[in-house]
Amino acid sequence: GENVEQHPSTLSVQEGDSAVIKCTYSDSASNYFPWYKQELGKRPQLIIDIRSNVGEKKDQRIAVTLNKTAKHFSLHITETQPEDSAVYFCAASGDDMRFGAGTRLTVKP
Amino acid sequence: GAVVSQHPSWVICKSGTSVKIECRSLDFQATTMFWYRQFPKQSLMLMATSNEGSKATYEQGVEKDKFLINHASLTLSTLTVTSAHPEDSSFYICSARDAGQGNEKLFFGSGTQLSVL
Repeated sequence: GENVEQHPSTLSVQEGDSAVIKCTYSDSASNYFPWYKQELGKRPQLIIDIRSNVGEKKDQRIAVTLNKTAKHFSLHITETQPEDSAVYFCAASGDDMRFGAGTRLTVKP
Repeated sequence: GAVVSQHPSWVICKSGTSVKIECRSLDFQATTMFWYRQFPKQSLMLMATSNEGSKATYEQGVEKDKFLINHASLTLSTLTVTSAHPEDSSFYICSARDAGQGNEKLFFGSGTQLSVL
């Protein structure tokens, strides 16, 4: 089955700096890669997603890149703000959806 | 957008009792629903995949006789934790795919925090 690895597990940045979270996946049949933001005790919120036929997607301060050959995809957050602090999960989806272990992002004011 | 309603949001029960969690797609038909379990500070672990009208597919290590899943209609799936024990205490969250939008995006319920005493 699909195996998704995510790094780093924790990330602390200064407000205004950029944050990058990286994931790898194992199943070449996976074709959809969403990123979720989860606050404590709440459901995951989709923040951006990318399909396997696209290499990069950007939405304001958030961007995602996908290297299908290497089975890597990354989340980039620019101009970070304290409200970006949360746990972020990557996921890879084919028939089902598997999640990475999560990255706890802390943005210091 | 698509809404998935999950109830209850929070439940405390005694060891040995059973707890049923409901997951409903309110404005779309969900041919497939997924049940995840999340322990504190950990990721969402897929427990089972539920297809309407057929038996659920369980992940390795998940006891199908303990975690009963029913997906009797296109808008409702239930997870019953039978003979719950303290180690079953966790955050359970369902998600559904909108059959009308293809098989990509998942829409999540709000989750159920189960505490077994």
